Amino acid sequence: NAGVTQTPKFQVLKTGQSMTLQCAQDMNHEYMSWYRQDPGMGLRLIHYSVGAGITDQGEVPNGYNVSRSTTEDFPLRLLSAAPSQTSVYFCASSSSGRVNNEQFFGPGTRLTVL
Amino acid sequence: GEDVEQSLFLSVREGDSSVINCTYTDSSSTYLYWYKQEPGAGLQLLTYIFSNMDMKQDQRLTVLLNKKDKHLSLRIADTQTGDSAIYFCAEIYGGATNKLIFGTGTLLAVQP
Repeated sequence: NAGVTQTPKFQVLKTGQSMTLQCAQDMNHEYMSWYRQDPGMGLRLIHYSVGAGITDQGEVPNGYNVSRSTTEDFPLRLLSAAPSQTSVYFCASSSSGRVNNEQFFGPGTRLTVL
Repeated sequence: GEDVEQSLFLSVREGDSSVINCTYTDSSSTYLYWYKQEPGAGLQLLTYIFSNMDMKQDQRLTVLLNKKDKHLSLRIADTQTGDSAIYFCAEIYGGATNKLIFGTGTLLAVQP
């Protein structure tokens, strides 16, 4: 199993540009989430999904869209990038079948918006 | 929203014990977690404790939970340089199975 994969690893955008951060998992996990990590603020939940076709907002959803058309993929879209979205983005997945609800994290995408 | 707080930095000498502390706010959390993040990598689950437990030991790791004070700690015995990383505590928010609230993270620096 590759686990949770994210692309790209690094990205630089100009203000106003759009892009999609890709996330995929091959563990047949129902739950997938997107977090952003900023210095001194830990990880904050952006959006999450409990299964294909179902998504919901987390703590900081503004400026981001998601969709979940398949169990494996959970892309995060920035429609009009802003400097405040400069951050490291992590995708995670988990299964309701695990007793401790462990989340598995991807390696992250480091995004800079100029 | 919910806040999970940690001290930002801890420095210890190799071979000493490290204790990383965390306070959380959601008393209904069923599980509390410690995740480890090494430089340039994602987070990995280090250990967890169920809310009806006071202590859990796993090799060099000891987790203590004080539900009355909503305080969680992670003790690493015989700390090694490979333990240098950022450690995050996390709680499940509102009973949902995949909504985690993370602390701010504690950077553990192990001096040789």
